[in-house]
Amino acid sequence: ETGVTQSPTHLIKTRGQQVTLRCSSQSGHNTVSWYQQALGQGPQFIFQYYREEENGRGNFPPRFSGLQFPNYSSELNVNALELDDSALYLCASSARTGAGNTIYFGEGSWLTVV
Amino acid sequence: DAKTTQPNSMESNEEEPVHLPCNHSTISGTDYIHWYRQLPSQGPEYVIHGLTSNVNNRMASLAIAEDRKSSTLILHRATLRDAAVYYCILDEFGNEKLTFGTGTRLTIIP
Repeated sequence: ETGVTQSPTHLIKTRGQQVTLRCSSQSGHNTVSWYQQALGQGPQFIFQYYREEENGRGNFPPRFSGLQFPNYSSELNVNALELDDSALYLCASSARTGAGNTIYFGEGSWLTVV
Repeated sequence: DAKTTQPNSMESNEEEPVHLPCNHSTISGTDYIHWYRQLPSQGPEYVIHGLTSNVNNRMASLAIAEDRKSSTLILHRATLRDAAVYYCILDEFGNEKLTFGTGTRLTIIP
């Protein structure tokens, strides 16, 4: 049990639609990162939020956006869904008190785009 | 991005120690070495991490070479529940933006 919870666990969307995925980070954690994991591959970094500000972004288009709230929970929004967006979306949190912190992952949200 | 190299797969017998190798020849002095494992349909599970010194916790040990260009994750006594994909990852500057590779698929033989 990592204390990182994600919702929904599974969802199906149609190409062109928009989706919002949610993450509740472990208590006291001020840093949240989102990852996309396609079937059979390792997770790929999408972006990171630290104290409500975006703090780095991977190689993902602008239709992938996010938010972090004052309670440090977070959302990942994906607009204009494409079939290739079908993947497991993972949220990871940490208490950024310096370098070398432990990072905890949630169980993920499975998104299927049809 | 700093890169790691791991064998694609390994097998080990149940109740025996397992040594999972990782090469990271381009590591810089401020890169942390993290290990995660992932079971099918689950999120990655934190195993251990370190910077320069060897590290031990209840799950495993991490042995880091003196030049830091390689490391080894040691599972002291493998169980069937240790069967998973193990990822060795460099956390550049400790900024917590992890670049996953393809990992090592560990099979435990009863």
